[in-house]
Amino acid sequence: GQSLEQPSEVTAVEGAIVQINCTYQTSGFYGLSWYQQHDGGAPTFLSYNALDGLEETGRFSSFLSRSDSYGYLLLQELQMKDSASYFCAAFSGGYNKLIFGAGTRLAVHP
Amino acid sequence: SQTIHQWPATLVQPVGSPLSLECTVEGTSNPNLYWYRQAAGRGLQLLFYSVGIGQISSEVPQNLSASRPQDRQFILSSKKLLLSDSGFYLCAQGQASKAQYFGPGTRLLVL
Repeated sequence: GQSLEQPSEVTAVEGAIVQINCTYQTSGFYGLSWYQQHDGGAPTFLSYNALDGLEETGRFSSFLSRSDSYGYLLLQELQMKDSASYFCAAFSGGYNKLIFGAGTRLAVHP
Repeated sequence: SQTIHQWPATLVQPVGSPLSLECTVEGTSNPNLYWYRQAAGRGLQLLFYSVGIGQISSEVPQNLSASRPQDRQFILSSKKLLLSDSGFYLCAQGQASKAQYFGPGTRLLVL
């Protein structure tokens, strides 16, 4: 079957760094994306990795290792507004179809 | 920039009633369109996708159907709702950039 595994919850303090891991098992994999979703809202796109390595966008970075079927999202200088759920999602098959993980709920405390 | 409209925002329907959720997209042409459902505290499950007018692919067998009568319109329907159809329904559009952009969603509660 096709699946993505990520921790269900992560807790951190303001200003800290947190890493959210994602392992995947999919057929026809060709990239890993990350989405942020605040309570009651819709998911918003954060990043996409097609190749191995690190992609940096401001305070957020995303990493992919295709050989390990593994990726992570790194959030630096955490702010209270970063409290949200974070989903990894794999492109699998054609037509840019995404398979989502169950999400990691990040709680940032003062 | 692209904008995705979904309505209604919230819907409470009795079991056995019909359903029609509409999604319209602005600011882009010939987008790939997707319907997802999200159960409370869970990830998103892809229900349908469409690469063009009249072209619908279903990802999971279910009580729902989808249609794309116009390039920028995507409709999710059911003839008879089940309790298990409750959830947060999200429409998304995606293109070559690999990012998918989501509409505000419809919260459906079937009682």
